[in-house]
Amino acid sequence: GAVVSQHPSRVICKSGTSVKIECRSLDFQATTMFWYRQFPKQSLMLMATSNEGSKATYEQGVEKDKFLINHASLTLSTLTVTSAHPEDSSFYICSATLRGGSNYGYTFGSGTRLTVV
Amino acid sequence: AQTVTQSQPEMSVQEAETVTLSCTYDTSENNYYLFWYKQPPSRQMILVIRQEAYKQQNATENRFSVNFQKAAKSFSLKISDSQLGDTAMYFCAFMKNFGNEKLTFGTGTRLTIIP
Repeated sequence: GAVVSQHPSRVICKSGTSVKIECRSLDFQATTMFWYRQFPKQSLMLMATSNEGSKATYEQGVEKDKFLINHASLTLSTLTVTSAHPEDSSFYICSATLRGGSNYGYTFGSGTRLTVV
Repeated sequence: AQTVTQSQPEMSVQEAETVTLSCTYDTSENNYYLFWYKQPPSRQMILVIRQEAYKQQNATENRFSVNFQKAAKSFSLKISDSQLGDTAMYFCAFMKNFGNEKLTFGTGTRLTIIP
């Protein structure tokens, strides 16, 4: 089945530093990837839509200069949290859409727990 | 804009019993897709079941089935013969169509299966 590999699964960084999260589609080409943020015991909040070869589309209220998204190839999208602060601590999940016949929907990465100290 | 509402923040049921999770949504679209996702403690999102709005027949996947009422904009999930491994957060989600593929999630229902 279609797999999205997300790394790292867990990262702790110091306030003011930047952290990069990678999502790779392993056995399919993902022209579009989505980045979500999830606070404890809450639902997933869409941050941005990442399209291969073009600029990401950010949801209202998401700082594009803080959350840099790059989708340079059909199999890799990255989210960089720049100048991280404790309030950026959260669980970040990527996903990609699948198309074709009966196999449609979303496949999700395993998530990254970011802790900023 | 689409909205998805899950009115049951938490539910619990005895093992082997049947449980139904509720979901309602609001949209002006005629064709769309609905999903139930499970998020166990590992936090990996797992697709449970999906339904195309143009299909009248309710989707089923083994012990999981939905009751899709398009006119009422309701999409409930029934879990039969519940198992301990069903313990998880369950999210109902709406997708408008391919080409505008953003998923809109409900707030989730925390389901606990009691041994």
